[in-house]
Amino acid sequence: ELQLVESGGGLVQPGGSLRLSCPASGFIFSDYWMHWVRQAPGKGLEWLSRITYDGSRTTYAVSVRGRLTISRDNAKNTLYLQMNSLRAEDTAVYYCAREASGKGNWYFDLWGRGTLVTVSS
Amino acid sequence: SYELTQPPSVSVSPGQTARITCSADALPKQYAYWYQQKPGQAPVLVIYRDSGRPSGIPERFSGSRSGTTVTLTISGVQAEDEADYYCQSADSSGIWVFGGGTKLTV
Repeated sequence: ELQLVESGGGLVQPGGSLRLSCPASGFIFSDYWMHWVRQAPGKGLEWLSRITYDGSRTTYAVSVRGRLTISRDNAKNTLYLQMNSLRAEDTAVYYCAREASGKGNWYFDLWGRGTLVTVSS
Repeated sequence: SYELTQPPSVSVSPGQTARITCSADALPKQYAYWYQQKPGQAPVLVIYRDSGRPSGIPERFSGSRSGTTVTLTISGVQAEDEADYYCQSADSSGIWVFGGGTKLTV
């Protein structure tokens, strides 16, 4: 079964750090580019970051550049998101998502269920 | 960076046609995609490459483009179509973006 399962969310104080994980199963993880997307409570989807299939290149939304770091371990079939200097506005459900294969297919064809990050004192 | 603009809400009666637009000053040359999201669930792709329909998505869902505006059309809306809908695209530098989302009320 195709699956992405985020973990690592929780309550963290402002200024703190958190590392999210997203193990993948049911497909060849190393064949796919991967992303992180978040959704603040009652708000819309916000794209955060993308990483190539081999981890050699990363791209970030301007709003999070410098505070979030995406990475992957293909040997462990796992995607990560390191979040530093967290702020209240980072409170959201964080999703990992798989980018569809094929040239020009710039969409997500598999999503995890999300993990909630709450930044509060 | 650019923004994709959607109406915050659209309301239709069952059986009617719902149209949700997504526009930008300069919608990227890349295609636009549409997702449906129901409360507590992850988004589901309903339209790809402006007008393609993934397998398993009902025929009442369709997409179109006119210039810098793409439109998601749901014909013969059913109660189960009530959800939030998001358009999404990407630019050539690899920056992806979502529209602000449209709440469809049936």
